[in-house]
Amino acid sequence: DVKVTQSSRYLVKRTGEKVFLECVQDMDHENMFWYRQDPGLGLRLIYFSYDVKMKEKGDIPEGYSVSREKKERFSLILESASTNQTSMYLCASSFAYGLSSYEQYFGPGTRLTVT
Amino acid sequence: SQKIEQNSEALNIQEGKTATLTCNYTNYSPAYLQWYRQDPGRGPVFLLLIRENEKEKRKERLKVTFDTTLKQSLFHITASQPADSATYLCALVNLSNTGKLIFGQGTTLQVKP
Repeated sequence: DVKVTQSSRYLVKRTGEKVFLECVQDMDHENMFWYRQDPGLGLRLIYFSYDVKMKEKGDIPEGYSVSREKKERFSLILESASTNQTSMYLCASSFAYGLSSYEQYFGPGTRLTVT
Repeated sequence: SQKIEQNSEALNIQEGKTATLTCNYTNYSPAYLQWYRQDPGRGPVFLLLIRENEKEKRKERLKVTFDTTLKQSLFHITASQPADSATYLCALVNLSNTGKLIFGQGTTLQVKP
């Protein structure tokens, strides 16, 4: 079974802190994604990585950065957390084009609260 | 602009009935359409996908249809059970998008015993 794990289920941080959210997948997937999910707004893509050290901005990249140094690990960084970044953060992974139909496998999510 | 819509109102049905959820899209020509299930506080779980050249796909009690003329997919759960209560998301795949999906906001299904 595909397994995607996230470093924390719940996290509380203060405004201005630097926050690291980590995601690890064990299926050798090329693609990895970070989303945030808010009531009424659905899943919104923050960043996407299709290979090690490669990244692409999603729909809402402002205030976030990412790092992918190893294939299995994709980190989301909030350089200076703000209260409007309080949300559920979901990591996902998938095979690359030609190897699948792009079905994504999600981690359990990190509920981040910024106070 | 591209848009994908699911009924934002919750769907309440009686156990044993068939639940039907709708996914409509505009300004888009997806190669595949996927359906996911999401339980509260958890990540979505992939259920089914249907390709643009397929009219219908089945998996156990689940059935998905895809009408590229109407730009609509219907997701059916037959003989529904309380355990089917969850939010169901549809997602579109455009092969030129390098693996990115566009998700609908989801429809919450409540199956009452």
